[in-house]
Amino acid sequence: AQKITQTQPGMFVQEKEAVTLDCTYDTSDPSYGLFWYKQPSSGEMIFLIYQGSYDQQNATEGRYSLNFQKARKSANLVISASQLGDSAMYFCAMRGTGTASKLTFGTGTRLQVTL
Amino acid sequence: EAGVTQFPSHSVIEKGQTVTLRCDPISGHDNLYWYRRVMGKEIKFLLHFVKESKQDESGMPNNRFLAERTGGTYSTLKVQPAELEDSGVYFCASSPLRGPTDTQYFGPGTRLTVL
Repeated sequence: AQKITQTQPGMFVQEKEAVTLDCTYDTSDPSYGLFWYKQPSSGEMIFLIYQGSYDQQNATEGRYSLNFQKARKSANLVISASQLGDSAMYFCAMRGTGTASKLTFGTGTRLQVTL
Repeated sequence: EAGVTQFPSHSVIEKGQTVTLRCDPISGHDNLYWYRRVMGKEIKFLLHFVKESKQDESGMPNNRFLAERTGGTYSTLKVQPAELEDSGVYFCASSPLRGPTDTQYFGPGTRLTVL
């Protein structure tokens, strides 16, 4: 079984600062994918970034980067130069291999960006 | 390109009534997923279609839930009869049959309230 743990229910960060949202995972699959999604107050789920378990380099997408530490089973999301529009819920998720492609989600972290 | 759409955005029904949720995936996406988030809890997988076939329905809570995807395009999720514990946000997601990351793209969700 797969499990995602997000230990930070809420985080505050000042505008223009960087913030790290924690995510640890547990799986017995040799190959897997890790995702981060953003859910603003409007409710939609927005895909942010993906990391494959065999990717040699940490994924980056604009101001988002994923600090992937396979040995520690962690996939933390780093948001650089925070903006007010980054205030939202952030979900870490994992996908297994083959036909078991469903996503397993963590409980989410609510990020609030302040002036 | 249009994203995943869901209808209705909100539904308020009484216990014992029937509700049908609809999801239109991104055009050309053969994979279609349903997820649900009950208040304060993590997003949980319900089922997965590949085209019109149910690939995995291990997350369906009970036989009051019926999902269909006739013709392999849009999907419906019917709850009959609805119970109080069915309240939550129902998300639909889609992905291509074979993609480099198999990223699932989510719709805006349907917020279901059962009174």
